Amino acid sequence: AQSVTQLGSHVSVSEGALVLLRCNYSSSVPPYLFWYVQYPNQGLQLLLKYTSAATLVKGINGFEAEFKKSETSFHLTKPSAHMSDAAEYFCAVSSWRGSASKIIFGSGTRLSIRP
Amino acid sequence: DSGVTQTPKHLITATGQRVTLRCSPRSGDLSVYWYQQSLDQGLQFLIQYYNGEERAKGNILERFSAQQFPDLHSELNLSSLELGDSALYFCASSVEGKGIYEQYFGPGTRLTVT
Repeated sequence: AQSVTQLGSHVSVSEGALVLLRCNYSSSVPPYLFWYVQYPNQGLQLLLKYTSAATLVKGINGFEAEFKKSETSFHLTKPSAHMSDAAEYFCAVSSWRGSASKIIFGSGTRLSIRP
Repeated sequence: DSGVTQTPKHLITATGQRVTLRCSPRSGDLSVYWYQQSLDQGLQFLIQYYNGEERAKGNILERFSAQQFPDLHSELNLSSLELGDSALYFCASSVEGKGIYEQYFGPGTRLTVT
C-alpha cells in the first residue's frame, strides 16, 4: 500500500529565508512523486514531479525537490521565500500497477511568510 | 488557467437533496478524477474515470456516483445530502489513466448543505 506523510501542518518562515517542506512516502513499487500548491480559493497546481529520471527535480517558482530513496523522502525546498509563496502545499505519491493507478495526497502543509 | 472547467462554482442546498456537479477536462485528456476537500478530512480521492469507464475508486460514499460521457465530460451526483457533505469538490484530468502523468485541477465547486 502507498502512503505519504507531510511533517508539519503549518510552517512559518521569514521573507528571504529558506523554505523546507518535508514529505516522506511509502511505496512497495517505484513511486512517482508530485508536489502541488493550492492558493486560497483555487484548485491545486503542479509544482514539480519525479518520475525516476533525475533525483533532483526543479519546478516552477524557484522550487525544487530531491528524491532520496534511502530516506523515502521527497522534501520541497526554495532558497529564498517570497510573500507570494504563502499557500498550502501537498505532496502526492502514485504508482502504476497493471490496469489501475491511484494518487495519494498528503494532508498538506500551510506555508506562511513573515515580512 | 488549467484548462479544466467546473460548474457551478458555488452550490447551496438543503439536507436530503440531490445535486450534480459537472466537469470538463482539458482538451485531449481522457482521464477524469474527482476529489473532496474538507477541513477535517483533507483532500480525499473519490473516483477516477478513463475514457468513459470507471478506473479506480477511493473513499466514495454509496450516496455518491459519477459517470463520464462520450464527449469526456464528467458528472458527480451527490444524493441524500447531509451536513457533512459540505466541502470543496475538485475535478482533475490527465492525459491518460496512468499515475505517472500529472493531474490538472479545476477551480472546484463549493457545496454548502444547510
